[in-house]
Amino acid sequence: AAGVIQSPRHLIKEKRETATLKCYPIPRHDTVYWYQQGPGQDPQFLISFYEKMQSDKGSIPDRFSAQQFSDYHSELNMSSLELGDSALYFCASSLYGFTYEQYFGPGTRLTVT
Amino acid sequence: GQQLNQSPQSMFIQEGEDVSMNCTSSSIFNTWLWYKQEPGEGPVLLIALYKAGELTSNGRLTAQFGITRKDSFLNISASIPSDVGIYFCAGFMNTGFQKLVFGTGTRLLVSP
Repeated sequence: AAGVIQSPRHLIKEKRETATLKCYPIPRHDTVYWYQQGPGQDPQFLISFYEKMQSDKGSIPDRFSAQQFSDYHSELNMSSLELGDSALYFCASSLYGFTYEQYFGPGTRLTVT
Repeated sequence: GQQLNQSPQSMFIQEGEDVSMNCTSSSIFNTWLWYKQEPGEGPVLLIALYKAGELTSNGRLTAQFGITRKDSFLNISASIPSDVGIYFCAGFMNTGFQKLVFGTGTRLLVSP
């Protein structure tokens, strides 16, 4: 079965640069979620979108923004990168209204040097 | 801040043993999910629980949604080396249903 696709899988950026992470949800899933996972930590919710509208917001820095497009894929834009932004970034998707089951992608490992 | 506490933090067991881990909270959750994460990969959904008292199995895995709605446990029977990973509980609260809160994780190591 098709899973959540994330690209790139690995990204190395320097401080103060910008980064864009992409997420393609499971076909027919209309809701996407972004999570940040630091080393040895549990995933922390950043933001979610349903039908191209932001539906919930967690601990997302103001330097980050995200959007969902008409084909349901989503992009997380990160600017003025800091060393502390180095983490695994996961996207998850679900089918709104039918299930609370979120399915995660393989993640993007972002390293800021 | 962290609202779900998992125990134990880590376990090192022999192949064939049964494993039990649990997750507790001071808050009520409407839905409990159990995930397994391997190094460098995304969490994989194992079991979803929707009703207090519900007991659900997925192969060698069994999970229960506590009656108080503040806890859940996961059992793995007859462990095998590929069970190695970090197991996270996660839950949705009464409000903000889209915000999944993760537990602190239980690291499982299985020796052949």
